[in-house]
Amino acid sequence: DGGITQSPKYLFRKEGQNVTLSCEQNLNHDAMYWYRQDPGQGLRLIYYSQIVNDFQKGDIAEGYSVSREKKESFPLTVTSAQKNPTAFYLCASSPTGPGGNTQYFGPGTRLTVL
Amino acid sequence: DAKTTQPPSMDCAEGRAANLPCNHSTISGNEYVYWYRQIHSQGPQYIIHGLKNNETNEMASLIITEDRKSSTLILPHATLRDTAVYYCIVRVYDRGSTLGRLYFGRGTQLTVWP
Repeated sequence: DGGITQSPKYLFRKEGQNVTLSCEQNLNHDAMYWYRQDPGQGLRLIYYSQIVNDFQKGDIAEGYSVSREKKESFPLTVTSAQKNPTAFYLCASSPTGPGGNTQYFGPGTRLTVL
Repeated sequence: DAKTTQPPSMDCAEGRAANLPCNHSTISGNEYVYWYRQIHSQGPQYIIHGLKNNETNEMASLIITEDRKSSTLILPHATLRDTAVYYCIVRVYDRGSTLGRLYFGRGTQLTVWP
């Protein structure tokens, strides 16, 4: 059963704490992505990675960090420097190379910072 | 910069065709048009994509105008489960990158009524 898993579905943290969101895929995709979605808005790209041990900042990387030590995993850390971390976080993966890189999304993690 | 323009909402009777328009007047020659949909609090679901030619799959049809400045997603027989936000997206390539980025706007809220 191939796909992308994100855990947990709901996450609560106190202000000032770092929190790490999990994303795992078994689709054998090289590229992985993290997006943030606020109510009534589209998705905004936080970070993406084309290959293991390499990643690039997206449009709203400030206050976030990532690692890509394994092809299957791309965890996102929301640090205390992120001023408004409460949001819906979505992870995606895609193949790379010519011919298209359709992204497939996980179910998302809803983070609430109290 | 979403790069696409969509109506904020549309509705459709169950069993009828739903035609969702999208304008992408600044699209470049190598940029694909993608359509995703998102049911509330879930991850976006890939529907279809195309470059120049019309495309059809088991979910929908994509009609792209000859000048590529606009497109229409067609759900031939809408059901209640098709109620969702539909995103029309242009995949853009950053300079020197082979990995396209998806720019999400606010999408169109499609409501299918009985």
